[in-house]
Amino acid sequence: DVKVTQSSRYLVKRTGEKVFLECVQDMDHENMFWYRQDPGLGLRLIYFSYDVKMKEKGDIPEGYSVSREKKERFSLILESASTNQTSMYLCASGSGGRSYNEQFFGPGTRLTVL
Amino acid sequence: DQQVKQNSPSLSVQEGRISILNCDYTNSMFDYFLWYKKYPAEGPTFLISISSIKDKNEDGRFTVFLNKSAKHLSLHIVPSQPGDSAVYFCAARGYSGGGADGLTFGKGTHLIIQP
Repeated sequence: DVKVTQSSRYLVKRTGEKVFLECVQDMDHENMFWYRQDPGLGLRLIYFSYDVKMKEKGDIPEGYSVSREKKERFSLILESASTNQTSMYLCASGSGGRSYNEQFFGPGTRLTVL
Repeated sequence: DQQVKQNSPSLSVQEGRISILNCDYTNSMFDYFLWYKKYPAEGPTFLISISSIKDKNEDGRFTVFLNKSAKHLSLHIVPSQPGDSAVYFCAARGYSGGGADGLTFGKGTHLIIQP
């Protein structure tokens, strides 16, 4: 079974803090993705990566950055957390390069920014 | 501009009957469509998918239909079971530059199976 793990299930941070969300997958997938889920908005793509040290912007990259130093790990960074970044953050991975099929999701991190 | 639309925020169906969840899309560059199921406090789990070159894909109780000319797809669950109660997301894969981008999701439909 594919396993995608996220470092925290729940996180509370203060406005202006730098926040790191970590994601690890154990299936040697090339592709990794970060989404956020908000009520009434579905899932929206923040950033994705097709290979180590590669990254591409998704639909809502503003206020975020990412790091992929190792194939199994993809980090999402909030440089200066703001209250509008309170959300559920979901990491996903998939194989197949740029012709991937399904993505496998982690359990999510619920981030609250006060 | 929403490229993947699920116009029903919720749907209530009696146990044993058929559940039909609908999804419309606007981007003709989408070439692969997926349905995910999500329980509260869990990540989405993949359910079923369909390539744009097909019009139907079946997997057990789940069937996805694609009408490319209408830019419409639907998920049929038959018979519906209590464990099917969840939020269902329609997603589409698009292409740009050298290959596929991330998925574009609809807002979800909350399916409630009534006993």
